[in-house]
Amino acid sequence: EAGVVQSPRYKIIEKKQPVAFWCNPISGHNTLYWYRQNLGQGPELLIRYENEEAVDDSQLPKDRFSAERLKGVDSTLKIQPAELGDSAVYLCASSLAGDYGYTFGSGTRLTVV
Amino acid sequence: QKEVEQNSGPLSVPEGAIASLNCTYSDRVSQSFFWYRQYSGKSPELIMSIYSNGDKEDGRFTAQLNKASQYVSLLIRDSQPSDSATYLCAVSTGNQFYFGTGTSLTVIP
Repeated sequence: EAGVVQSPRYKIIEKKQPVAFWCNPISGHNTLYWYRQNLGQGPELLIRYENEEAVDDSQLPKDRFSAERLKGVDSTLKIQPAELGDSAVYLCASSLAGDYGYTFGSGTRLTVV
Repeated sequence: QKEVEQNSGPLSVPEGAIASLNCTYSDRVSQSFFWYRQYSGKSPELIMSIYSNGDKEDGRFTAQLNKASQYVSLLIRDSQPSDSATYLCAVSTGNQFYFGTGTSLTVIP
């Protein structure tokens, strides 16, 4: 069974440029999460989807971040424009409905210069 | 106060010893508790989940939960160098899911 697939693995962009990350969750996992993890910190939730509905986006900086999960499967997270402080690892995770813990993707390491 | 607190370490133990990792949480309605292992440069990997008071054993790993004290721990018996990683405690209230900042463990050969 394929795990959570994320792309790209690494991205370096100049500040003020846009960037997008893509995630394909485990088949059958209807809950999808985007997290951001800074060095030496735990993951911080950006947005949670139940199927195609964003049920928790309270921590998503909506002035520059956006996300979508069309058809309740793949998801895209976008930053426009990127700032230096956005440099981090962006993790996608998925889970079954309920409370069973997450499976994380390999993450996208973003560096904004 | 953070929702989940962990001692950041680093924690060093000799090979073969027991490593003890601790976590406290603030929300009394928390229902589910998880331990993730994260190797440097890798994403977190779920290694244990526990839902009721007491101990849960899985191989060399034992998770312990005490809801009255709002405390969850992870014991690693016969520690191996391959156990060297950051261990993240995570707590779910059903509506919210919180991670701690992680404890760095080094197992010395």
